[in-house]
Amino acid sequence: AQSVAQPEDQVNVAEGNPLTVKCTYSVSGNPYLFWYVQYPNRGLQFLLKYITGDNLVKGSYGFEAEFNKSQTSFHLKKPSALVSDSALYFCAVRDSPGTYKYIFGTGTRLKVLA
Amino acid sequence: DVKVTQSSRYLVKRTGEKVFLECVQDMDHENMFWYRQDPGLGLRLIYFSYDVKMKEKGDIPEGYSVSREKKERFSLILESASTSQTSMYLCANEVPGYGYTFGSGTRLTVV
Repeated sequence: AQSVAQPEDQVNVAEGNPLTVKCTYSVSGNPYLFWYVQYPNRGLQFLLKYITGDNLVKGSYGFEAEFNKSQTSFHLKKPSALVSDSALYFCAVRDSPGTYKYIFGTGTRLKVLA
Repeated sequence: DVKVTQSSRYLVKRTGEKVFLECVQDMDHENMFWYRQDPGLGLRLIYFSYDVKMKEKGDIPEGYSVSREKKERFSLILESASTSQTSMYLCANEVPGYGYTFGSGTRLTVV
């Protein structure tokens, strides 16, 4: 069965430091991978996706993610964190080839400390 | 860019009431989804639809139904609301290969 895991419920990082939010997945076939961000009492916003091509994907607000096939990971990164990056982050993977359903991780709360 | 609009941001209903959550997209897209979000559980798929009058059950359809009479509108129905259905409800529209666009969400409280 397809699955996605976010092993950390919360990540704390000081403003200006690099941040990493972890995601691992298990799928059959080629993965479609996504990161979304959610601010309080709002819907999810698209950050970036990997479908094919370069393993390093750049997205909105200075975020990037690295697709690692051997480790089945798709970690979200940013070189220098901002207080405004504090939010809930979700990793998602397409359920199976030929469908449009996505499976979401349980979310990681990022807290950037001033 | 597609816009997905959920009619209510906050809703308070009584146990046993029939509840309608509305979702409208402004493009001619086919794929629409309803999720509920609960702390520690992430997003769980309730129902989805690939076309008008078409619907398929997701992972947690019990206690819910949906309606899709027009392509742009996908409604979630709680037949008889219960306190266990207190949650954040998210509607999404999918463009194949590009991921989801979400509505702002409806926070439903059943008392």
